[in-house]
Amino acid sequence: AQRVTQPEKLLSVFKGAPVELKCNYSYSGSPELFWYVQYSRQRLQLLLRHISRESIKGFTADLNKGETSFHLKKPFAQEEDSAMYYCALRENRDDKIIFGKGTRLHILP
Amino acid sequence: DVKVTQSSRYLVKRTGEKVFLECVQDMDHENMFWYRQDPGLGLRLIYFSYDVKMKEKGDIPEGYSVSREKKERFSLILESASTNQTSMYLCASSFVGRAEAFFGQGTRLTVV
Repeated sequence: AQRVTQPEKLLSVFKGAPVELKCNYSYSGSPELFWYVQYSRQRLQLLLRHISRESIKGFTADLNKGETSFHLKKPFAQEEDSAMYYCALRENRDDKIIFGKGTRLHILP
Repeated sequence: DVKVTQSSRYLVKRTGEKVFLECVQDMDHENMFWYRQDPGLGLRLIYFSYDVKMKEKGDIPEGYSVSREKKERFSLILESASTNQTSMYLCASSFVGRAEAFFGQGTRLTVV
């Protein structure tokens, strides 16, 4: 069975400090990993995916197959980064998307 | 812009009622999903549909059923609503083989 684990329910970080949101997964095949974000009163939306290896809003995430991790990082937190962040895994065989429990990121002024 | 629209933002129903949650997408996506979102539990997949009339159970299908008679519409049905089904329900859609799912605004269902 595939699983996505986000160990932190809440992460509080001072503005300007580095951010790291942890995500670990278990999956028998080749995983496709993502980070989704939900800002206050907005829809859940895709932030980034491991395949594209892009940086979005200053965030990056590297897939580490050895450690089965896909941690989300940003060097300098901004107040507008406060949101709920979900790590997700897509099953290649049938397009199902499985989410972790989410981490609420709170940026302190 | 992709649009996924859920028919209600807020819904209050009585225990035992049959409840229909409707979702419509306008991007010709093959895949559609229903999740429920609860604090501390994240998003849990209820049902997934990859084509018209095709469906697969997710992680928590008990007490729910779905209907996909047209490609653009995916309905979630609570056969007999119970208080433990009080939750935020999210609909999403995506293309086959494509990673990005687009979400609706959510329906907050309260069962009293």
